[in-house]
Amino acid sequence: DQQVKQNSPSLSVQEGRISILNCDYTNSMFDYFLWYKKYPAEGPTFLISISSIKDKNEDGRFTVFLNKSAKHLSLHIVPSQPGDSAVYFCAASTYTGRRALTFGSGTRLQVQP
Amino acid sequence: NAGVTQTPKFQVLKTGQSMTLQCAQDMNHNSMYWYRQDPGMGLRLIYYSASEGTTDKGEVPNGYNVSRLNKREFSLRLESAAPSQTSVYFCASRGTSSEQYFGPGTRLTVT
Repeated sequence: DQQVKQNSPSLSVQEGRISILNCDYTNSMFDYFLWYKKYPAEGPTFLISISSIKDKNEDGRFTVFLNKSAKHLSLHIVPSQPGDSAVYFCAASTYTGRRALTFGSGTRLQVQP
Repeated sequence: NAGVTQTPKFQVLKTGQSMTLQCAQDMNHNSMYWYRQDPGMGLRLIYYSASEGTTDKGEVPNGYNVSRLNKREFSLRLESAAPSQTSVYFCASRGTSSEQYFGPGTRLTVT
């Protein structure tokens, strides 16, 4: 029973265009959402997050959108760069308790020069 | 400032052997976590520690034990390794926010 789902295993975009990575969740108790970027043979690196009281958060080229009613979030990267090529994980947490992360299975982004 | 460090980076074990994966953080974080990542899956929580001396089971704790030796260190022990424990293991720490910071991982193969 996957509580966080990333239904697209891979995505390929041209350099300079927008990359949109999607994530769905089922557990209504989640109230904090994060995106991590992972290069091969490295640990996940925190990218951007959003609280459930917001619907958008921006940090430079990265924007995360949250649609609570649809239990859906997305990460937009504009413009995409070859260095953005990596696996992106969506994760969800609660503000209380152990605050462990529940991860999606990841989306491999390839940005073509 | 090294962040989260893990040793070893790679390990091959035979079924039934034991080993301890080491993790240390220098960010003065209270909370530490052990996750495993299997192919095609996200990271899954094995164990969690809220502070020195306290530990709690996660989603997949069977076959593992942990020790929170002090605020900096959180080790994961496999007492009798099984092929199903072949995986990449990540340690993470968290301060007061919800963001967790991960180590580089240990790639373990059990034959």
